[in-house]
Amino acid sequence: TQLLEQSPQFLSIQEGENLTVYCNSSSVFSSLQWYRQEPGEGPVLLVTVVTGGEVKKLKRLTFQFGDARKDSSLHITAAQTGDTGLYLCAGTYTGTASKLTFGTGTRLQVTL
Amino acid sequence: GAVVSQHPSWVICKSGTSVKIECRSLDFQATTMFWYRQFPKQSLMLMATSNEGSKATYEQGVEKDKFLINHASLTLSTLTVTSAHPEDSSFYICSVTRLVRGETQYFGPGTRLLVL
Repeated sequence: TQLLEQSPQFLSIQEGENLTVYCNSSSVFSSLQWYRQEPGEGPVLLVTVVTGGEVKKLKRLTFQFGDARKDSSLHITAAQTGDTGLYLCAGTYTGTASKLTFGTGTRLQVTL
Repeated sequence: GAVVSQHPSWVICKSGTSVKIECRSLDFQATTMFWYRQFPKQSLMLMATSNEGSKATYEQGVEKDKFLINHASLTLSTLTVTSAHPEDSSFYICSVTRLVRGETQYFGPGTRLLVL
């Protein structure tokens, strides 16, 4: 059974600070996705990465996929209060089609 | 606009009763639908994979007789929690996909179930 570990589990920072969230697996991903989830809502897709070493940017968010496709990171620059939420990585593995395995989650709180 | 809808958005029921949750794909015919469960302050855990016209595939530890899944059409899947108990209280989320290579999953808004 694949296990996706995210770190840190919880992060409380002030607006304007930078942060990085990590996602690690013991197995190689076919693809990896990052989601943000607000309380009482379903997760919303932020990005999908499929190629080892890939870097994608979405405004202040930078996503990196490890060369070996077993880890990923999400970096947020100059965090804003609107970035508050639960960040989830989720991966697919070879032979499992679209089945997603979610990470343990990182709860981010950004305060003024 | 929303790609996936769930109904109801929240439900409170008495212990021992059954509750049905609907998941609808609004924008396309979904070959596969997934059902997840999320407990407070935890991540999403896949419960089952549902393909239209065939029996659902349940994840290890999920009781198929307790969580009945019916995928009657390419746009509708239902999850019925039978004989619900307080420990079944959770946030239930569905997702839909077309299983095209690289196709993402689109998640519904979730259904919060509280069993008293």
